[in-house]
Amino acid sequence: KAGVTQTPRYLIKTRGQQVTLSCSPISGHRSVSWYQQTPGQGLQFLFEYFSETQRNKGNFPGRFSGRQFSNSRSEMNVSTLELGDSALYLCASSLGPTGGTDIQYFGAGTRLSVL
Amino acid sequence: AQSVTQLGSHVSVSEGALVLLRCNYSSSVPPYLFWYVQYPNQGLQLLLKYTTGATLVKGINGFEAEFKKSETSFHLTKPSAHMSDAAEYFCAVSDRDGGTSYGKLTFGQGTILTVHP
Repeated sequence: KAGVTQTPRYLIKTRGQQVTLSCSPISGHRSVSWYQQTPGQGLQFLFEYFSETQRNKGNFPGRFSGRQFSNSRSEMNVSTLELGDSALYLCASSLGPTGGTDIQYFGAGTRLSVL
Repeated sequence: AQSVTQLGSHVSVSEGALVLLRCNYSSSVPPYLFWYVQYPNQGLQLLLKYTTGATLVKGINGFEAEFKKSETSFHLTKPSAHMSDAAEYFCAVSDRDGGTSYGKLTFGQGTILTVHP
């Protein structure tokens, strides 16, 4: 079974631009969560989607948004990029319906550099 | 809000020595508890989890962790370290409340484990 696939693996953008990251979950998984990982703040939860609906959201500004498609693939978008958005963005998928006990399976991440 | 504390951002052991990585959580209601490992340039891999039942949990690669409610702890151990164990380890929690738990793991700051030959 294929794992969680994130594309692209690396991105370089400049301040003010926008970016879209993609995540393909494990087949059969309906929940997709996104996290930001930085040396200073560690791993922080962005949001979670299940069956195309956002069920949970972290404390990030509205510049960070996401969506999920009917095949469970997910995208996250960051508009008006700031230098502080440079990070590793991780996507995780899980079966979804039970919430807290689900095991999340992580992709390798997209490393975003904002210049 | 949930918080997770991992004591020691760096732990160094010799090959064959005991590995002990510490994790404490903050909530009064015990959450679900997880340990993940991250190798360089990779995502996170689940080592083990505790949801209910037996408080000593065995995971992959010889790791185990014990849930101690009275100490609000979930420390990770391995009797004998291998060179291949060198990585960063994260303790994470998830709320038992369904609404706030959906898809959300709260992570500690991570502990980098170095294994010396």
